[in-house]
Amino acid sequence: DAGVIQSPRHEVTEMGQEVTLRCKPISGHDYLFWYRQTMMRGLELLIYFNNNVPIDDSGMPEDRFSAKMPNASFSTLKIQPSEPRDSAVYFCASSTWGDKEYFGPGTRLTVT
Amino acid sequence: KQEVTQIPAALSVPEGENLVLNCSFTDSAIYNLQWFRQDPGKGLTSLLLIQSSQREQTSGRLNASLDKSSGRSTLYIAASQPGDSATYLCAVRPETSYDKVIFGPGTSLSVIP
Repeated sequence: DAGVIQSPRHEVTEMGQEVTLRCKPISGHDYLFWYRQTMMRGLELLIYFNNNVPIDDSGMPEDRFSAKMPNASFSTLKIQPSEPRDSAVYFCASSTWGDKEYFGPGTRLTVT
Repeated sequence: KQEVTQIPAALSVPEGENLVLNCSFTDSAIYNLQWFRQDPGKGLTSLLLIQSSQREQTSGRLNASLDKSSGRSTLYIAASQPGDSATYLCAVRPETSYDKVIFGPGTSLSVIP
């Protein structure tokens, strides 16, 4: 398996623009997690899905953030409108229940 | 609320030394604990997973121990190498919300040749 795939790897955008991050989990994994990592706050769980259904979105910082998982092999995290404080590395991870989490390489987002 | 801390925040050792990284968690009701490695600019890689019923797990030069009752775990790295330089994070899976893990802040390790 190719592992968890994320795109784009780097994104630079201007404040106010819409940003869409994409993730393809490992085939057969029924859990998908979106994390954000910053120097100040470390690694934060934003939202996770089980069998394509959002289970816990309590970590989503604001209504500007939304996530979808239309099928077992694809998920998106959207920020609209983006702000400079959204600049961070966004990770997607997948797993089966109770097992190791497998992380993607991350998307480094810079909002100017 | 479960909180995970790691000491030290940063560590620098000469090549060849054995070293120990520490992880503490406030609520002993955990399902399992993982140790991850993160290289600069990369994602996290799971190194070891210890179930709550286990005391330790070993993989090559790595040994992780778990003392659930005292809320502690250690990651022992034997004969450290420059390639071990990375940030090491521990993460616990609480019994009360076992779908997700809670991460510590990490220990940044530098192994000097």
